Amino acid sequence: AQSVTQPDIHITVSEGASLELRCNYSYGATPYLFWYVQSPGQGLQLLLKYFSGDTLVQGIKGFEAEFKRSQSSFNLRKPSVHWSDAAEYFCAVVVDYKLSFGAGTTVTVRA
Amino acid sequence: NAGVTQTPKFQVLKTGQSMTLQCAQDMNHEYMSWYRQDPGMGLRLIHYSVGAGITDQGEVPNGYNVSRSTTEDFPLRLLSAAPSQTSVYFCASSRDGSGSYEQYFGPGTRLTVT
Repeated sequence: AQSVTQPDIHITVSEGASLELRCNYSYGATPYLFWYVQSPGQGLQLLLKYFSGDTLVQGIKGFEAEFKRSQSSFNLRKPSVHWSDAAEYFCAVVVDYKLSFGAGTTVTVRA
Repeated sequence: NAGVTQTPKFQVLKTGQSMTLQCAQDMNHEYMSWYRQDPGMGLRLIHYSVGAGITDQGEVPNGYNVSRSTTEDFPLRLLSAAPSQTSVYFCASSRDGSGSYEQYFGPGTRLTVT
């Protein structure tokens, strides 16, 4: 069963505009949640993670994400996108020692 | 500190051949894992290990074997390659045996089975 859903396969955003990527998870307890980014032809890099505590977490490269238990969501945001943010973004959750990924959202940045 | 290294970067196999994808980490991490990445499916866990001598199956283990004789190395063996195993394979490691901390990923191995 898929533990993580990313509803948007592809998003196009203008440089300087804001970005929000959606992530929903299905897990009873408070999960360990992650956002990873993959640039073309590269491995994955961690943007941010949520384990507990403050539901708004800050990450690298100006990204932030908000954990909302009531909505089972962990959406990723960036106020102003740069051309270098064009990449594929993956939401992931750890359940029983296993990291489960969403299918990913590809972000295209137009000038 | 090289992090997580994978060899080879590219490989082409014929159906029925066997091979081993190598993965090593120099961070003394307890947890190591293998994923395959296919378009539109994200990364799927093949096998993982919570420490030397301990391995377990992930979501898509069929056709793959692993072993963990040392903390540093976690090779993935394809027993009899099939075209369905054409994919990009990533190895990852994490400092804690639970896998709940950040996983560090290798650069990947692109495998084509003809």
